[in-house]
Amino acid sequence: SYELTQPPSVSVSPGQTASITCSGDKLGDKYACWYQQKPGQSPLLVIYQDTKRPSGIPERFSGSTSGNTATLTISGTQALDEADYYCQAWDSGTYLVFGGGTKLTVL
Amino acid sequence: EVQLLESGGGLVQPGGSLRLSCAASGFTFDNYAMNWVRQAPGKGLEWVSAISGSGSKTYYADSVKGRFTISRDNSKNTLYLQMNSLGAEDTAVYYCAKGPYSGTGDYFDYWGQGTLVTVSS
Repeated sequence: SYELTQPPSVSVSPGQTASITCSGDKLGDKYACWYQQKPGQSPLLVIYQDTKRPSGIPERFSGSTSGNTATLTISGTQALDEADYYCQAWDSGTYLVFGGGTKLTVL
Repeated sequence: EVQLLESGGGLVQPGGSLRLSCAASGFTFDNYAMNWVRQAPGKGLEWVSAISGSGSKTYYADSVKGRFTISRDNSKNTLYLQMNSLGAEDTAVYYCAKGPYSGTGDYFDYWGQGTLVTVSS
């Protein structure tokens, strides 16, 4: 089955840039997306189709891909960005798959 | 405004059954694929099942195949998940999530608030 791998945790200082990676076999050949989930809330789509931002998502959120890795970048990280972040992709065999999630801590 | 409202969760004994519902509003329901995604307590997200806008195509995660059935009633703007032979591993918050197209796959652009299913004796 297809798997996506994320670091369990990432820490960043307020105002700095946070980068969260997501790796998977031939991920560059698929579309990746990213969700933000704060405690007690439903997930929120922040990036889709590798690089696109849904309406209402701040410009400080951006996505990129290179080879087998997709990256979510948060520029000028704010305290309110502290959350769990999940990558997700579609694979013809496993169908829809999520990464294990990354807890972003804003110190 | 897109709204997805799940219901039907609760406490069920191992081996039991439960049917979840998701009432949708704010968009043309039969134009979009719908999904169920679950999250066990303190764990990550797990895609469970998907159904195309017309209902003609369905997909399941290996972990629920043969036990769960996804369906939709486009006349009622409602998505369902029939869950049978439930085990402790099925304990989770179940989210209804909308796809961006009629066909399945890709991503989820709107999520419901979730309904908790607890499997325990």
